[in-house]
Amino acid sequence: GAGVSQSPSNKVTEKGKDVELRCDPISGHTALYWYRQRLGQGLEFLIYFQGNSAPDKSGLPSDRFSAERTGESVSTLTIQRTQQEDSAVYLCASSLGAGVAEKLFFGSGTQLSVL
Amino acid sequence: QKEVEQNSGPLSVPEGAIASLNCTYSDRGSQSFFWYRQYSGKSPELIMSIYSNGDKEDGRFTAQLNKASQYVSLLIRDSQPSDSATYLCAVNDGYALNFGKGTSLLVTP
Repeated sequence: GAGVSQSPSNKVTEKGKDVELRCDPISGHTALYWYRQRLGQGLEFLIYFQGNSAPDKSGLPSDRFSAERTGESVSTLTIQRTQQEDSAVYLCASSLGAGVAEKLFFGSGTQLSVL
Repeated sequence: QKEVEQNSGPLSVPEGAIASLNCTYSDRGSQSFFWYRQYSGKSPELIMSIYSNGDKEDGRFTAQLNKASQYVSLLIRDSQPSDSATYLCAVNDGYALNFGKGTSLLVTP
C-alpha cells in the first residue's frame, strides 16, 4: 500500500477487556515496529519484527502485551485484561530493511482509551 | 538505560528566524540519527537522517552531528508558522529507534 495502515483509528474499551490492534506495513518493507505514546510523552518502543526472525520483545511492558506477525505482512498487537494505564496512542512503523540506518515510516496510530 | 535527551521547550521563534533544536544521546555506539516532526494529534513524520559527523542540508533544514560530543541538532532556516510542531530526535538502539521526548517549537507570525 501507499503507507502504513492501522486499524481501528480509535478504540474505547472497558477495563479488563482484551483488545486487538492491527497494522499493515508498506508493501515491500520487511521490518515492522510497534511503539506506544502516552499523552504528552515520547515514543516508547514495544516490539520489533524482521522477516521470519524471532521478534525483539524487549520493550513489552508486561505479559499482558503480545504481538504477532506472519512473514512480512500484517501484524496484530494484543493487550489482554486492559488497564487504565494502557490508554495511549499505539503507533506502528515499517522500514525497508533491518539495518541500523533504516528510516521508519509511521502509520496514523490507534488511540486506545481504557475506561 | 540508553538515553536521548531533548529540551521540552516550548521554543518560540519569530517567523523568518532560525530555529535551533538540540539533542544529546548516551550510547557512543549509536550510528544513525533522525529528526521527526509531529504535529498535534498526528503521527511522526521523518524530516532528516544523518549518519556521519558534520552538516547535512535539505532545503530549509540542516542536521548537524558531533559523535565525539554525542549531540545532534536541527536548524530550521526562515522558520514558518507551519513549522510549529514537536520535533523528535531519534537514535538507533540496535535495529530499533530510541526517541527523545521532543521539543515543542512555536513560530510566531
